Amino acid sequence: KQEVTQIPAALSVPEGENLVLNCSFTDSAIYNLQWFRQDPGKGLTSLLLIQSSQREQTSGRLNASLDKSSGRSTLYIAASQPGDSATYLCPGTYKYIFGTGTRLKVLA
Amino acid sequence: DGGITQSPKYLFRKEGQNVTLSCEQNLNHDAMYWYRQDPGQGLRLIYYSQIVNDFQKGDIAEGYSVSREKKESFPLTVTSAQKNPTAFYLCASSIEGDNYGYTFGSGTRLTVV
Repeated sequence: KQEVTQIPAALSVPEGENLVLNCSFTDSAIYNLQWFRQDPGKGLTSLLLIQSSQREQTSGRLNASLDKSSGRSTLYIAASQPGDSATYLCPGTYKYIFGTGTRLKVLA
Repeated sequence: DGGITQSPKYLFRKEGQNVTLSCEQNLNHDAMYWYRQDPGQGLRLIYYSQIVNDFQKGDIAEGYSVSREKKESFPLTVTSAQKNPTAFYLCASSIEGDNYGYTFGSGTRLTVV
């Protein structure tokens, strides 16, 4: 059964730092990979979708890459801001399996 | 604007009652999903539907029921058989197929009183 591991589980950084969040899957048979953010008590907001034929996607200060052969994805956040504080999730595979996410706190 | 609407935002259930959570989408998506989220845990799949009048159990379907009579609607009933229903419930939808992402609703927080 597919399992998702996100590293680190929690991260607290000062404003302005560049960040790397990691996501790995036990089964590398990934169709597409979608990164979400979740604010406390809220639903999930889609950040980036890497489709099966792609290797990375960029949106503003965010860049996500997918290495299917190793079953890993990385989310890069440039010049972090307090508004980036949230939990980040990276489900993948055909029927989305979720890990517990990375809880990010950016300090002003 | 297209999206997914979940209602109500907050719901309180007495012991032994059945309650129904609403999920409506106007994205013309084929597939719809229900997830449950507990504090400090990841989302777990309850039920999903890939087409009208058809649905499949997810990992934690016991104590829940669904229907898919219309493409736009996928209501979830939490029955009295669900022993620990207090949680945050999220509905999602997607175009059926391998290359499309999910869109999520804003969630319903269910509390047993």
